Amino acid sequence: AQSVTQLDSHVSVSEGTPVLLRCNYSSSYSPSLFWYVQHPNKGLQLLLKYTSAATLVKGINGFEAEFKKSETSFHLTKPSAHMSDAAEYFCVVSDEGHNFNKFYFGSGTKLNVKP
Amino acid sequence: NAGVTQTPKFQVLKTGQSMTLQCAQDMNHEYMSWYRQDPGMGLRLIHYSVGAGITDQGEVPNGYNVSRSTTEDFPLRLLSAAPSQTSVYFCASSPQGHEQYFGPGTRLTVT
Repeated sequence: AQSVTQLDSHVSVSEGTPVLLRCNYSSSYSPSLFWYVQHPNKGLQLLLKYTSAATLVKGINGFEAEFKKSETSFHLTKPSAHMSDAAEYFCVVSDEGHNFNKFYFGSGTKLNVKP
Repeated sequence: NAGVTQTPKFQVLKTGQSMTLQCAQDMNHEYMSWYRQDPGMGLRLIHYSVGAGITDQGEVPNGYNVSRSTTEDFPLRLLSAAPSQTSVYFCASSPQGHEQYFGPGTRLTVT
């Protein structure tokens, strides 16, 4: 069965310092993995996706994530946080098996950026 | 393109009332889904559809019905609202094998 664990419910960083949001997944098949961002009272926006091409995936707004199959991880990073990065981030795994398009969400990580 | 649209944005219901949340997409996507978002729980799949006339249950289908008569529309019906259905509801669509595009959400309160 597919599942996603986001290891931190809250992360707080200072503006200009690196961001690391951790995600581990389990999947019976070759997974597709995604990171979405949700700003307060808004919908969800795709940051980046991994679909079995390059293991290091670059997304929008300077974010990137590395797929590590041996560690079943897909951590999200950014070299330098900006105030506008404050939001909730969701790691998502897509079932590539017979339920092809089912998405499984992690519980989310709220990122706080201090001035 | 308008993308994925949802109506209404806000709704307050009394326990036992019924209502339909509307979702429409203009991208000709095959797949459409409904999720609910509750604090600390991420998004949970309620129902999904892989094409017109085909629907299936997700993780939390109880108390909700769906139908898909056209590619564009995927309404979610609450048959008899309960306080446990207080949540934010998101509709999403996607072409086969690709990421999902989300609507702006409907905030529902059941008193």
